Amino acid sequence: GENVEQHPSTLSVQEGDSAVIKCTYSDSASNYFPWYKQELGKGPQLIIDIRSNVGEKKDQRIAVTLNKTAKHFSLHITETQPEDSAVYFCAAHSRKGNKLVFGAGTILRVKS
Amino acid sequence: DAMVIQNPRYQVTQFGKPVTLSCSQTLNHNVMYWYQQKSSQAPKLLFHYYDKDFNNEADTPDNFQSRRPNTSFCFLDIRSPGLGDAAMYLCATSRGSGGRTDTQYFGPGTRLTVL
Repeated sequence: GENVEQHPSTLSVQEGDSAVIKCTYSDSASNYFPWYKQELGKGPQLIIDIRSNVGEKKDQRIAVTLNKTAKHFSLHITETQPEDSAVYFCAAHSRKGNKLVFGAGTILRVKS
Repeated sequence: DAMVIQNPRYQVTQFGKPVTLSCSQTLNHNVMYWYQQKSSQAPKLLFHYYDKDFNNEADTPDNFQSRRPNTSFCFLDIRSPGLGDAAMYLCATSRGSGGRTDTQYFGPGTRLTVL
């Protein structure tokens, strides 16, 4: 089945710097890749997603890139702020089983 | 504004005592999911309903059951909770329009403690 690997597991950046989180997936048939932000004690919140017919998508300070050939996708956060501190999960939609497969998560800490 | 609502937010139960967690949605979505999330781990899918069709994950223990009496509500029943079932339980929904893969929207979760 689909397997999603996410790196790094923890990331500390200074306020104002950029943060990049990378994920790789195994199922070449996967066609949908969302990113979720989860704050302590809360449910995951969708922050951005990308479909396989697009290479890049941007929403203000957040961008996602997708390389289908290499089977990896990345989250880019620019001008980080303390409120960006959270756990970030990538996911890939597996057609086998028709479900989302999540990465292990990245703890992002933005230091002010 | 809440679209996926979970009640209660915190639930404490005793070892072996049945417990029910509730999820409701105002989105009129066809699909509802239940995930288990343990500390510092990714959400793990337990099962989902597509309308009234129940889809169980192969590795979901029999101890976990679900009911969906109507479009808006879905329940997670844990028949005999063990200490290992202490976790955050997340409900999610998606439109289920077919063809195009749908975005999943999560509720705030219910934190289950087993004493």
